[in-house]
Amino acid sequence: KNEVEQSPQNLTAQEGEFITINCSYSVGISALHWLQQHPGGGIVSLFMLSSGKKKHGRLIATINIQEKHSSLHITASHPRDSAVYICAVRTNNAGNMLTFGGGTRLMVKP
Amino acid sequence: DAGVIQSPRHEVTEMGQEVTLRCKPISGHNSLFWYRQTMMRGLELLIYFNNNVPIDDSGMPEDRFSAKMPNASFSTLKIQPSEPRDSAVYFCASSLAKGAYEQYFGPGTRLTVT
Repeated sequence: KNEVEQSPQNLTAQEGEFITINCSYSVGISALHWLQQHPGGGIVSLFMLSSGKKKHGRLIATINIQEKHSSLHITASHPRDSAVYICAVRTNNAGNMLTFGGGTRLMVKP
Repeated sequence: DAGVIQSPRHEVTEMGQEVTLRCKPISGHNSLFWYRQTMMRGLELLIYFNNNVPIDDSGMPEDRFSAKMPNASFSTLKIQPSEPRDSAVYFCASSLAKGAYEQYFGPGTRLTVT
């Protein structure tokens, strides 16, 4: 079993829909990252969080340390949100190394 | 700052050839990471440096792979000899070393070994 599991693997939504992507992990962590990878291939860090909730524009990330679970929400989704969203965790005693989930491929249709 | 710079952006080479990928981290960052991304395995950490010193290279697949960081502003990942199964996108990322800092990714090098 992978240490970081994401669901769903693929997601298709209509423009304007509220989207949730989930990430569960099985190890102790010091931080969790959400990354976005566009079709062109570049990887952008969206959030880094270790507790609670963060918001940036239409994106919201939450984490529940006790349940070892994080969610990434996109409100009022838009076709330009189409990308692969990757959850990554920094495990305890692992320095700055990240362990990655398999990614969620999101397509938002107009 | 220009962000993390990688070169080349694309590399096509024949099996058996030596390949060298280059990375310039963000100025002031003292952690540098090399990742490989394939369709089958997703993103994997190959090796990471702190203050130019390799800290963990357990992700390096085999002896054909080597990485160096001769100074704070430059790192190389070398594959010798290259094989078709090495075809992937190789990302370099950098961050500050202490604390849970974000990692900033370069644009990647798409390697194709024929």
